[in-house]
Amino acid sequence: QSALTQPASVSGSPGQSITISCTGSSSDVGGYNHVSWYQQHPDKAPKLMIYEVTNRPSGVSNRFSGSKSGNTASLTISGLQAEDEADYYCTSFTSIHTYVFGTGTKVTVL
Amino acid sequence: QEHLVQSGAEVKEPGASVKVSCKASPYTFTNYYIHWVRQAPGQGLEWMGTIRPTTSYTKYAQNFQGRLSMTRDTSTSTVYMDVSSLTSEDTAVYFCTRECPACAKFDFWGQGTLVTVSS
Repeated sequence: QSALTQPASVSGSPGQSITISCTGSSSDVGGYNHVSWYQQHPDKAPKLMIYEVTNRPSGVSNRFSGSKSGNTASLTISGLQAEDEADYYCTSFTSIHTYVFGTGTKVTVL
Repeated sequence: QEHLVQSGAEVKEPGASVKVSCKASPYTFTNYYIHWVRQAPGQGLEWMGTIRPTTSYTKYAQNFQGRLSMTRDTSTSTVYMDVSSLTSEDTAVYFCTRECPACAKFDFWGQGTLVTVSS
């Protein structure tokens, strides 16, 4: 199972919006709504930010939102803040009942 | 209080095996699946597999077939992940995390265990 494809890096100024894409296939992202997103700061465990494509866990800022179209899922961060600078990973359930992570995206706040 | 507490760092020689533990709260052990995810230095996250603690059912990523084993001890609410035939490419931080059945979300994570494979 190949990793889902994410851009290596995305940057934006404070207050701007950025979007991170996550491209897979009909066997994972396109076939299920089981897509979630994780934020990881250096030397920390990942943190769940979005699940089931669009749902936000309790305690996660509403500046984070998710969507999906075909085989590509997206995470949008609006009102970018310095604390949002981190690595972001998508993951999807697959047709062989496993999970696959994305390649990861480093978000830089300029 | 929910917790996933992992065992400490390990240093192993190539060809050896390593066993990492993940102690869960009784509630998590009974009601959630446990997954293992690893991250090589400077690299991304990689899903390794999952175990259902109440039934011992396991599912592994194809990359690890044959040298990965997940077990559990119901008396201590602990899950174990065993990787054999280690190479330098297995040097990574190994995380355990939980998923409520069919929720497809990893909502709580262990602190991570660094495994270094070196001669």
